[in-house]
Amino acid sequence: TQLLEQSPQFLSIQEGENLTVYCNSSSVFSSLQWYRQEPGEGPVLLVTVVTGGEVKKLKRLTFQFGDARKDSSLHITAAQPGDTGLYLCAGENTGNQFYFGTGTSLTVIP
Amino acid sequence: DTAVSQTPKYLVTQMGNDKSIKCEQNLGHDTMYWYKQDSKKFLKIMFSYNNKELIINETVPNRFSPKSPDKAHLNLHINSLELGDSAVYFCASSLSIRPTGGGYTFGSGTRLTVV
Repeated sequence: TQLLEQSPQFLSIQEGENLTVYCNSSSVFSSLQWYRQEPGEGPVLLVTVVTGGEVKKLKRLTFQFGDARKDSSLHITAAQPGDTGLYLCAGENTGNQFYFGTGTSLTVIP
Repeated sequence: DTAVSQTPKYLVTQMGNDKSIKCEQNLGHDTMYWYKQDSKKFLKIMFSYNNKELIINETVPNRFSPKSPDKAHLNLHINSLELGDSAVYFCASSLSIRPTGGGYTFGSGTRLTVV
């Protein structure tokens, strides 16, 4: 099992603020995914990043894969209450198996 | 709707009982999985099947036995339930054994409470 540490573990912010969530590991990953999980539901895929240094944008969400493919970040601009949820990163090892991070629980207060 | 559906949504049972959770996907995916999410929201893989064949069997007590009658179904049977088995169990599927592109599609979970 390869450990992916996410920080912060919990984040509570006001609507309209910006935030960044980090996903860090000592292992190199072939690719990395980000998911959002809402209460009572399963995680839903947001993005997959494959190339070191890659940046992907999904509306107000910006995802970056580290140059060494050991870490990733998720930046949300002008957070909205609908962004509330558990954000999970998942890294793919050489055996094509994805391991999930420790999670970041985000609450956006209206 | 195309989806991964699992039943039941909630399961409350006494220690020592045997229970099953069922999962079906109508996405035409080849690979299905069982994940366990603990009270700290950590999501850990238990098993994966590719076209009915067991591919991944993480360190899980042998009280847990998956069964895949066809590639659209993956059930989980748990014998002699223990308090520590309380968790949310998620079924998931992916197009192929390497879920890089489309990722995993998860069901909505089964919350198992052992009392």
